[in-house]
Amino acid sequence: DGGITQSPKYLFRKEGQNVTLSCEQNLNHDAMYWYRQDPGQGLRLIYYSQIVNDFQKGDIAEGYSVSREKKESFPLTVTSAQKNPTAFYLCASIERGTTDTQYFGPGTRLTVL
Amino acid sequence: RKEVEQDPGPFNVPEGATVAFNCTYSNSASQSFFWYRQDCRKEPKLLMSVYSSGNEDGRFTAQLNRASQYISLLIRDSKLSDSATYLCVVKRSDSWGKLQFGAGTQVVVTP
Repeated sequence: DGGITQSPKYLFRKEGQNVTLSCEQNLNHDAMYWYRQDPGQGLRLIYYSQIVNDFQKGDIAEGYSVSREKKESFPLTVTSAQKNPTAFYLCASIERGTTDTQYFGPGTRLTVL
Repeated sequence: RKEVEQDPGPFNVPEGATVAFNCTYSNSASQSFFWYRQDCRKEPKLLMSVYSSGNEDGRFTAQLNRASQYISLLIRDSKLSDSATYLCVVKRSDSWGKLQFGAGTQVVVTP
C-alpha cells in the first residue's frame, strides 16, 4: 500500500534533549512538508522540501532542523532550542497536479517532560 | 488577522439534519481551496476540493464566493460518523504547495 508513515506515534522527551521524528513516503512525491498542530490552532508549517537535497523554512522554523537526502525520507529534528516543543507533528507530501492535494502521515505526538 | 478564519463551533447537529458553515480568507491571491476532515487525534484527510462553480460529493456541498472571500461546506442528512473537525485550507497562487490552514470547525452529530 502506498502512503506516508511517521514514527514513533508517541514520543516523550526530557527538556534539553534533541529528538528526531521520522517521515517516509512511497508515493513518489517530490515535495514533503512538516507541520505542527497545537490545540485550537491551525496547522503551522515548519519546513518544506520541493526536491531532494533542498529544503526551505516555513513559518515557524526556529528550533527545528531537517534533511532531505532521499526522495522518500524527510526527518525532522526538534532541538533543545525549541521553547515549546510539545505538539502534534504532521508530515505531508504533495501530488502535483491541478489541485496539489496534500496527503498526511498519521502524526507523532511529542511531549516534553 | 489570521489568513484563514473559521468558527470553531461546536455545531451540535441532530442526526439527519443539515449543517452548514463558512470559512473566510484574507488573501485575494488565494487560488485553490479545500476542505479537510480531521478526527480526534488523527491526521487531516482531504474531504473535497472546492471549485469556482461549486461542487457536490454525495451529502457534501462546497461553495466558493470569491467576491466576499469565503468558502462554505454544507452537510445534508448528517450521520453520526460525520462528527469531526473540518479544516478549511487555502493555497495562494504565489506559493507552490504551501497551504494555509484554518483552525477548524467542530461538528458533533447527536442521535
